[in-house]
Amino acid sequence: KNQVEQSPQSLIILEGKNCTLQCNYTVSPFSNLRWYKQDTGRGPVSLTIMTFSENTKSNGRYTATLDADTKQSSLHITASQLSDSASYICVVNSGGSYIPTFGRGTSLIVHP
Amino acid sequence: NAGVTQTPKFQVLKTGQSMTLQCAQDMNHNSMYWYRQDPGMGLRLIYYSASEGTTDKGEVPNGYNVSRLNKREFSLRLESAAPSQTSVYFCASSETGLETQYFGPGTRLLVL
Repeated sequence: KNQVEQSPQSLIILEGKNCTLQCNYTVSPFSNLRWYKQDTGRGPVSLTIMTFSENTKSNGRYTATLDADTKQSSLHITASQLSDSASYICVVNSGGSYIPTFGRGTSLIVHP
Repeated sequence: NAGVTQTPKFQVLKTGQSMTLQCAQDMNHNSMYWYRQDPGMGLRLIYYSASEGTTDKGEVPNGYNVSRLNKREFSLRLESAAPSQTSVYFCASSETGLETQYFGPGTRLLVL
């Protein structure tokens, strides 16, 4: 069964600090992996997409990494801001399937 | 462009009542999706439509029906609402099944 596990479940950090969120998956065959940001009360918004051949991709202060051999991805947030407080969801697409596999998300709270 | 719109934003139903959640996208996307999001469970796929004229079951289809009215619109119907269907419902669309999904703002449903 395809699965996506995220850790930690929740995280509290001080404004200006860095943090790293983890995603482990057992989706096969692998097509791509996305990180979404979901603000409270809103729908998820895509941050990055990683394909099999990509190791690192950045989007401003967000940097995603992918290790296809160990089936792990991480999302690193640099110099956190209050607006980074949100849930971050890892989603993996399997080749040929219209049904993505969602992780349960990491809830990040950034305190001033 | 409005992106993905959903109506209504909030709804309270009594057990046994029926209702239809509406979703429309203006991005000319082929694929559309309905998800529910419950605390601690993450997003779960109810139904999806890979292209106009087709619909398929997702992970949790029981108690729901869908209609892909045209390329823009995809509705979700609850024929006889149950308290277990209390949730936040998100509609999403994408160019194809493997592309980034764009989510609507959600419909918050309470079934008493």
